[in-house]
Amino acid sequence: GAVVSQHPSRVICKSGTSVKIECRSLDFQATTMFWYRQFPKQSLMLMATSNEGSKATYEQGVEKDKFLINHASLTLSTLTVTSAHPEDSSFYICSARLVVGYNEQFFGPGTRLTVL
Amino acid sequence: AQSVSQHNHHVILSEAASLELGCNYSYGGTVNLFWYVQYPGQHLQLLLKYFSGDPLVKGIKGFEAEFIKSKFSFNLRKPSVQWSDTAEYFCAVNRNNFNKFYFGSGTKLNVKP
Repeated sequence: GAVVSQHPSRVICKSGTSVKIECRSLDFQATTMFWYRQFPKQSLMLMATSNEGSKATYEQGVEKDKFLINHASLTLSTLTVTSAHPEDSSFYICSARLVVGYNEQFFGPGTRLTVL
Repeated sequence: AQSVSQHNHHVILSEAASLELGCNYSYGGTVNLFWYVQYPGQHLQLLLKYFSGDPLVKGIKGFEAEFIKSKFSFNLRKPSVQWSDTAEYFCAVNRNNFNKFYFGSGTKLNVKP
């Protein structure tokens, strides 16, 4: 199956700093990538849809100025958590959709963000 | 609003027991349906999917799911579970031709050896 990677897998930062998370599709091109947030014992919550070459579409309640998304190429999308606060601590997961074929997503391994 | 419900939050079974995990969704139009599995420490993996055709879908590792349109359900089944099936299972729904995936809250399955 298609492989999606995320970097870093784990990051700890101080409150007020910014953190960038990368999502890469390793063996396919993805015009659309998705960013999710997973709270403990809860399901994945879609944060935004990232389209290559255009602005991301954010879900209701997600601050676009806080969670900056850039999808500069067909294989890379980045999520930057700006001015991070402890409440931003969470597990962030990206997924990528195949360009062709059925509508299916492939998930990255996730990034555990801890804000002190 | 679109919603996906998984009513079993935590299931404990002994090996060789049969499994059925419930999934219901609220959207009335055409949908694509998925079951994903997340093994401890690993990322989400696709178990099976339904787009159209035979409502009984067979996936990997002996899992199957049945789409019952009248009940808005897509329950996951396995006749005989193994200890290695211990994981968290997520149901997901995607409205046809729409990007967004909606996930259920997940079901943790513990299989006792």
